[in-house]
Amino acid sequence: GENVEQHPSTLSVQEGDSAVIKCTYSDSASNYFPWYKQELGKRPQLIIDIRSNVGEKKDQRIAVTLNKTAKHFSLHITETQPEDSAVYFCAASPSSGGSYIPTFGRGTSLIVHP
Amino acid sequence: EPEVTQTPSHQVTQMGQEVILRCVPISNHLYFYWYRQILGQKVEFLVSFYNNEISEKSEIFDDQFSVERPDGSNFTLKIRSTKLEDSAMYFCASSEGNQETQYFGPGTRLLVL
Repeated sequence: GENVEQHPSTLSVQEGDSAVIKCTYSDSASNYFPWYKQELGKRPQLIIDIRSNVGEKKDQRIAVTLNKTAKHFSLHITETQPEDSAVYFCAASPSSGGSYIPTFGRGTSLIVHP
Repeated sequence: EPEVTQTPSHQVTQMGQEVILRCVPISNHLYFYWYRQILGQKVEFLVSFYNNEISEKSEIFDDQFSVERPDGSNFTLKIRSTKLEDSAMYFCASSEGNQETQYFGPGTRLLVL
């Protein structure tokens, strides 16, 4: 099955700095890569996703890059703000029988210091 | 914006008891999922459900688990005989299509004593 590795486990930055979280996956059949933000005690919320037919996607301060050859994808947050503090999970989904079942990484705890 | 809802938000039960966790998916969604998250760990897939049947399940989803869509709106997860290691946050999710974004509910925190 799919195996997703996520680094770092904890990331501490100053407000205004950039943050980068990296994930690798093992199954070359994976073709959908969502990123979720989970604030303490709350539900995971999709913040951005990318499909394997593109290499980069951007939404305001958030961008995701995908390198299918190397099987890694990254989340980039620019101009970080204290409200960006949360746990971020990457996921990779193969298309199996027509359903996307994501395998999640272990999460990155992002702390943005004011 | 429509959201997935779950009840109860918290459930405490004794080991060996049955629990039913309830979810109301977004109304026009056709695919439903259950995940669990043990405290401090990653989200793990349990089961997916479409057209009134299970479409995929993980190794975690053994014979003590079952899912049901008893009516047009609810989607339930039943744990027949709870164990201490079932203590976790259980998330329901739904998606419009089989290759579409999944939206998570707020979760039910289950504590088995």
